[in-house]
Amino acid sequence: SAVISQKPSRDICQRGTSLTIQCQVDSQVTMMFWYRQQPGQSLTLIATANQGSEATYESGFVIDKFPISRPNLTFSTLTVSNMSPEDSSIYLCSVGLQGRRSGYTFGSGTRLTVV
Amino acid sequence: GEDVEQSLFLSVREGDSSVINCTYTDSSSTYLYWYKQEPGAGLQLLTYIFSNMDMKQDQRLTVLLNKKDKHLSLRIADTQTGDSAIYFCAEAHTDKLIFGTGTRLQVFP
Repeated sequence: SAVISQKPSRDICQRGTSLTIQCQVDSQVTMMFWYRQQPGQSLTLIATANQGSEATYESGFVIDKFPISRPNLTFSTLTVSNMSPEDSSIYLCSVGLQGRRSGYTFGSGTRLTVV
Repeated sequence: GEDVEQSLFLSVREGDSSVINCTYTDSSSTYLYWYKQEPGAGLQLLTYIFSNMDMKQDQRLTVLLNKKDKHLSLRIADTQTGDSAIYFCAEAHTDKLIFGTGTRLQVFP
């Protein structure tokens, strides 16, 4: 399975600022996924990032709030923009080397607290 | 719409078996997964099952799938304190995972 390095692991940010989360994979992958896990909740998909094209966002998530970059097949960033306390969550990236046939690997997550 | 439900909490004695249940609504799901999340950690893929199977065993883990009832279960044999965590089931028929609400497993001595 792929090994994912995600950073930062945690951060405390001021309201109104932005934070960029990085995800580095040790293998080339076509799709990378970004999830949000709000406190005490399950995981919700934010967007799917393909190299060389715009990310595809799920209902309730917009590019202006969560811009994503995917410059190559091993790296992606998610920015949480103009943060408010409601953005306090764990953000996780995920990849699947063979798609759903072999399951998906998750990064260790970024625990974001907005004050 | 797609929906995946789990009971919120399970408490078992060390050495006993644990059974965590999951129900889903999407009949076109092709793969179903079980993930484990320990405090402060990311998600670890434990096992998965293809929808044309009804059982899969992997060491202490047994997955049962009742496709007719859209019911998935994870049995952990000889549960240990290190198994204490939140367990999520997830289903996919595209590359998008739909996660269940999570079951917090507490193992006591």
